[in-house]
Amino acid sequence: EAQVTQNPRYLITVTGKKLTVTCSQNMNHEYMSWYRQDPGLGLRQIYYSMNVEATDKGDVPEGYKVSRKEKRNFPLILESPSPNQTSLYFCASSLKGGGAAKNIQYFGAGTRLSVL
Amino acid sequence: KQEVTQIPAALSVPEGENLVLNCSFTDSAIYNLQWFRQDPGKGLTSLLLIQSSQREQTSGRLNASLDKSSGRSTLYIAASQPGDSATYLCAVRRGVTGANNLFFGTGTRLTVIP
Repeated sequence: EAQVTQNPRYLITVTGKKLTVTCSQNMNHEYMSWYRQDPGLGLRQIYYSMNVEATDKGDVPEGYKVSRKEKRNFPLILESPSPNQTSLYFCASSLKGGGAAKNIQYFGAGTRLSVL
Repeated sequence: KQEVTQIPAALSVPEGENLVLNCSFTDSAIYNLQWFRQDPGKGLTSLLLIQSSQREQTSGRLNASLDKSSGRSTLYIAASQPGDSATYLCAVRRGVTGANNLFFGTGTRLTVIP
C-alpha cells in the first residue's frame, strides 16, 4: 500500500530536549516536505526536499533541521524545542515533474507535538 | 505571495443537502488547484486536482470548479452524508516543478447532521 508514515503520532516533551520526527514514504517520490498546521494559519511549509541531499527552507524554518540521506526518509529535527513549536506536523511527498498525477501530494497521518 | 482563503470557516447542514465550499486565491498564475479532506487524527487525503487549463473535475458526488481569472474555486458536494463531515482544504500550486510552491487555505469544517 502506498503510504507516508510518520512517527511518533503523539509526543509530549519539555523545552530544550532534542527530538526527531521520522517520515518515510514507499512510493519512490522525489519531493518531500514538512508542514506545520496551527489554528487559523493553515498549513505552512517548514522545509522541503527535491531529492537526496537537496533540501531547502520553506516559509517557517526557524528552529528546525532536516536531512535527506535516503530517498525514502526525511526526518524533522528539533534541536532545542520551544513551546511555540507546539503544533500538528505533517510530512508529504509527491513525484517530480508536471502532470496531474505527479502533482498529487500524499500526506502522513500527522504528529501532534506538545512542548512544555 | 499567494494567499488562499476559504469561507466559511465552518458549515453545518442537514443530511441530504447539496452544498458548496469556496476557495479564493490572490495570484491567478497557478499551475493547478487541489482539494483535500482532513479527518480528525488523520492526514490529508487528496479529493480532486484541477489543472489550470481545466474548468472542473468530478469524482462521484464531488465536483470541483476552477475560475482562474477571478481567483476562485468551488467544491460542490451532492446529497451530503454524515460521513462527509470533515475539514476541507484547498491548495494552489504555483509552478510546474518544485516542492515549495504549494499554498494552503485554512479550511472549512463541515458537519453533516443526520
